[in-house]
Amino acid sequence: KQEVTQIPAALSVPEGENLVLNCSFTDSAIYNLQWFRQDPGKGLTSLLLIQSSQREQTSGRLNASLDKSSGRSTLYIAASQPGDSATYLCALFHASGGSYIPTFGRGTSLIVHP
Amino acid sequence: NAGVTQTPKFQVLKTGQSMTLQCAQDMNHEYMSWYRQDPGMGLRLIHYSVGAGITDQGEVPNGYNVSRSTTEDFPLRLLSAAPSQTSVYFCASKDLDSVYGYTFGSGTRLTVV
Repeated sequence: KQEVTQIPAALSVPEGENLVLNCSFTDSAIYNLQWFRQDPGKGLTSLLLIQSSQREQTSGRLNASLDKSSGRSTLYIAASQPGDSATYLCALFHASGGSYIPTFGRGTSLIVHP
Repeated sequence: NAGVTQTPKFQVLKTGQSMTLQCAQDMNHEYMSWYRQDPGMGLRLIHYSVGAGITDQGEVPNGYNVSRSTTEDFPLRLLSAAPSQTSVYFCASKDLDSVYGYTFGSGTRLTVV
């Protein structure tokens, strides 16, 4: 069974720092991987999706990478801002047994203070 | 805006009452699902559907019913609400023919007293 771990569970940093959030998984037979952002009391907003054949995706100050051999994805946030404060979740869609039911990590709660 | 719409946003129920959480999407997605999110438990799949007339159970289906009569709608019914069903409920959809991932609704915060 796929297990997805996000470390750290919580992170507090000063504004301007470059950040790396980690998502580790045990089964490398994935279809794709999706990163979400969740603001307190809100729904999940999709940030980036990396297909199995890709190694990274970029959107603005965000860069997500995928290394299936090491079972790891990272979300890099450049020049963090207070508005980046949220919980970040990764979701793995599996290559077998239907690629539409992902395994979610528990998330990393990020606080960026001025 | 196109996407997944959930209603209501907030609801308080008394134990034993029944209600239906609504979920609608206008993206013609075949796949729709319901999750509950609880502190320390993460997202847990309740029920899902891969098309009209097809539903299946997820990880925590007890106490919930679903039906899928149209592609657009996927309501979640609580048959007899219990305090353990106090949670935030999210609906998500996906296009099965594309590589794109999930689109989530904004959630329904349910309190059962």
